[in-house]
Amino acid sequence: DIVMTQSPDSLAVSLGERATINCKSSQSVLYSSNSKNYLGWYQQKPGQPPKLLIYWASTRESGVPDRFSGSGSGTDFTLTISSLQAEDVAVYYCQQYYSTPHTFGQGTKLEIK
Amino acid sequence: EVQLVESGGGLVQPGGSLRLSCEASGFTFSTYSMNWVRQAPGKGLEWVSYISSSSSTIYYADSVKGRFTISRDNAKNSLYLQMNSLRDEDTAVYYCARMKSGSYSGHWGQGTLVTVSS
Repeated sequence: DIVMTQSPDSLAVSLGERATINCKSSQSVLYSSNSKNYLGWYQQKPGQPPKLLIYWASTRESGVPDRFSGSGSGTDFTLTISSLQAEDVAVYYCQQYYSTPHTFGQGTKLEIK
Repeated sequence: EVQLVESGGGLVQPGGSLRLSCEASGFTFSTYSMNWVRQAPGKGLEWVSYISSSSSTIYYADSVKGRFTISRDNAKNSLYLQMNSLRDEDTAVYYCARMKSGSYSGHWGQGTLVTVSS
């Protein structure tokens, strides 16, 4: 199984500042035949289902604010929120769908400093 | 509008069975692969099972293999999860989630809570 490890486990950032969450996979999730990284990022608020923010490691889902961006390739990935807003307080998860089981990271709790 | 609505959750005793359903609308259900993902109270997300559009390919997490069965009825636009031999650790909110062109699309249901307890 591919193990997904996020860092940090929790993060406190001031409003308007940049937030960065990292995700590392135990093996590459880059599929060479199509050059796509099988990696997604989700935001989850209490009592709600996960909301897809980014897929293919860097493609923003429709309707997601452009302050959210994804980067990385192979085994190392980053979710960046360029200017933190109050509504961004949530838990963030990365997920690989390169192979089953489609494993998730443990989650990163993002709070306002 | 794409909608996924789960149902069938509830309280069940250890060793019991439950069948979850996910009713899809707003898209051509028969052309999309689907997944079940669960989340134990206060915990992270755990992928449970995958089924291809034609049901020809099915995968399970090791934690549920041999106990859970995923299926679909494309004529009824519905996805199912038959859960047998339930354990305390199966207590979770169960979500259905759609895939699109090899990736997850942004469409998840609101979830249905399964509680396994005596």
